[in-house]
Amino acid sequence: GENVGLHLPTLSVQEGDNSIINCAYSNSASDYFIWYKQESGKGPQFIIDIRSNMDKRQGQRVTVLLNKTVKHLSLQIAATQPGDSAVYFCAEGFSGNTGKLIFGQGTTLQVKP
Amino acid sequence: SAVISQKPSRDICQRGTSLTIQCQVDSQVTMMFWYRQQPGQSLTLIATANQGSEATYESGFVIDKFPISRPNLTFSTLTVSNMSPEDSSIYLCSVQQGLLPYEQYFGPGTRLTVT
Repeated sequence: GENVGLHLPTLSVQEGDNSIINCAYSNSASDYFIWYKQESGKGPQFIIDIRSNMDKRQGQRVTVLLNKTVKHLSLQIAATQPGDSAVYFCAEGFSGNTGKLIFGQGTTLQVKP
Repeated sequence: SAVISQKPSRDICQRGTSLTIQCQVDSQVTMMFWYRQQPGQSLTLIATANQGSEATYESGFVIDKFPISRPNLTFSTLTVSNMSPEDSSIYLCSVQQGLLPYEQYFGPGTRLTVT
């Protein structure tokens, strides 16, 4: 079936460096993608979304890139801080699917001080 | 974004019993969903909670096991029935606040352990 997967289960970066978290998806019909951050013991926190008619979107210290040709999504975090340590999930959705999201497996980001 | 609360935040239950989890939102929302997150894994959608009608369940989830209610636009419950250790998970509700499907936010989750 369709799936959204992540390339690396764990990413370790030095504080202050930039982080790049990748995600592959297989359904070309996906209308939008969302990145969530989940800290230990908490629910997923919305970070940023991107629609399928865009290839880049920027937020505060984060940038999401979408490459529909290769069905690839990435989340870039600038100047990574210890507070960025968490599990990051990408999720894909379909506008005609009443809000249902399909989640990838998650990448653990570890920030070393 | 909407403020979402869940009760209980965690519980330890014996097998064969049932637990009802509540999800309360501080404003009216269009859609409410229930997800399960098994230990160390990603999120899987259980069902969409429909106001005033039966929930829409995903493949692998059935109403007898996970009955859901949504009496109004700010509240929903999920019951985990006849629990077994395999039901030990985090259960999360999420809401779609407006008409835009990509504006979806999650509650803090309920951590359930079944012994």
